[in-house]
Amino acid sequence: QMQLQESGPGLVKPSETLSLTCTVSGDSINSDNYYWGWIRQTPGRGLEWIRSIYYSGSTYYNPSLRRRATISVDTSKNQFSLKLTSVTAADAAVYYCARDLGYSGYIDNWGQGILVTVSS
Amino acid sequence: QSVLTQPPSASGTPGQRVAISCSGTRSNIGSNPVHWYQQLPGTAPKLLTYSNNQRPSGVPDRFSGSKSGTSASLAISGLQSEDEAYFFCATWDDSLNGWVFGGGTKLTVL
Repeated sequence: QMQLQESGPGLVKPSETLSLTCTVSGDSINSDNYYWGWIRQTPGRGLEWIRSIYYSGSTYYNPSLRRRATISVDTSKNQFSLKLTSVTAADAAVYYCARDLGYSGYIDNWGQGILVTVSS
Repeated sequence: QSVLTQPPSASGTPGQRVAISCSGTRSNIGSNPVHWYQQLPGTAPKLLTYSNNQRPSGVPDRFSGSKSGTSASLAISGLQSEDEAYFFCATWDDSLNGWVFGGGTKLTVL
């Protein structure tokens, strides 16, 4: 059974860069069938998809976060990562990594989520 | 503000049938299949139904999804206390070229 596990700092200072990593187990990130993405959740805004990446490096993104969010994949470690620059209080959220089948499919597996607080 | 609209709460008594709605537009629900997720407090969201009305292996047939036009619905029959959770809908949006979600519905079993 595949699992995804987020890791990274739970506290980030305003204006700094948030860096999170998702470790995939039970499946290969090199799979032809899947994209790997990040989604965040806040009580006020609900769920917001950020960006997804294919193992080859091609990505699709939410235009509202395009300038600040980058995603990368490390096939040797079976991991993918998110970097979100210039964070503000509005970026405080639970961040989930997930596996998705792309636009013609669905998101079929999620990580447990990691709470990120933005504070000085 | 979520792209897809869900009622914030729903409730029912054990054994009852409840339905949770999800409303969108032509560019999302009107053009793409809808998927539903269940989320228990502090846990990862779990795929409940996909492609409007399909269930992954292991999901009881008490859970059923449907779609009509720009709206979708999740029905839960034979309500059980362990069904108490947060439910949200999701689909692809052709204008955003990405995933959009409902605001979520908290189901309470009375």
